[in-house]
Amino acid sequence: QSVLTQPPSASGTPGQRVTISCSGSSSNIGSNTVNWYQQLPGTAPKLLIYSNNQRPSGVPDRFSGSKSGTSASLAISGLQSEDEADYYCAAWDDSLNAVVFGGGTKLTVL
Amino acid sequence: QLQLQESGPGLVKPSETLSLTCTVSGGSISSSSYYWGWIRQPPGKGLEWIGSIYYSGSTYYNPSLKSRVTISVDTSKNQFSLKLSSVTAADTAVYYCAQILRTVVAVDYWGQGTLVTVSS
Repeated sequence: QSVLTQPPSASGTPGQRVTISCSGSSSNIGSNTVNWYQQLPGTAPKLLIYSNNQRPSGVPDRFSGSKSGTSASLAISGLQSEDEADYYCAAWDDSLNAVVFGGGTKLTVL
Repeated sequence: QLQLQESGPGLVKPSETLSLTCTVSGGSISSSSYYWGWIRQPPGKGLEWIGSIYYSGSTYYNPSLKSRVTISVDTSKNQFSLKLSSVTAADTAVYYCAQILRTVVAVDYWGQGTLVTVSS
């Protein structure tokens, strides 16, 4: 059971906009920034969004992040087939003194 | 371009100690901008934070693993290591080493991962 809660699955058709939610608590998302990772099948995860809404160099602006209170969201606009992957949110937890991950959301492009 | 490479046995017997090393190339493990960490992923499951270390040696461990985990750093070799004791089948996973941006605690570089199976 993960400290951060994500829906196990999400789906959309090419060109659509999809959002993935991540719910936490005051000790993690409520007091620290949120990062998002994309894991393509059979590969290591890749940093997609850091510090709630910042994109590393090379990440398309179709990907965006936001945070409000103890929840965060990842939005993907103009969905493409290559976006089919697992997506994980993560944040530092002040109570555990550790990074906590969401359980991951499997995105399917229909 | 930074590269991280995990090395160590792919098979460990139950009750023994899992030992992995991560070699960092293309960057310095003594940089004040980063932590260095280990993350694992059981087959078909999600990511789990194991712990992290700063070049000075200060560590943070996942409380659920803390009693069994030791992470150490060797700045002369530009390497850091993981030891997980008293392993069981539940410790079977792909183990990733990682560079962590200290200011935002985000993993910006990952190793390719190494599968460690716990079995007799």
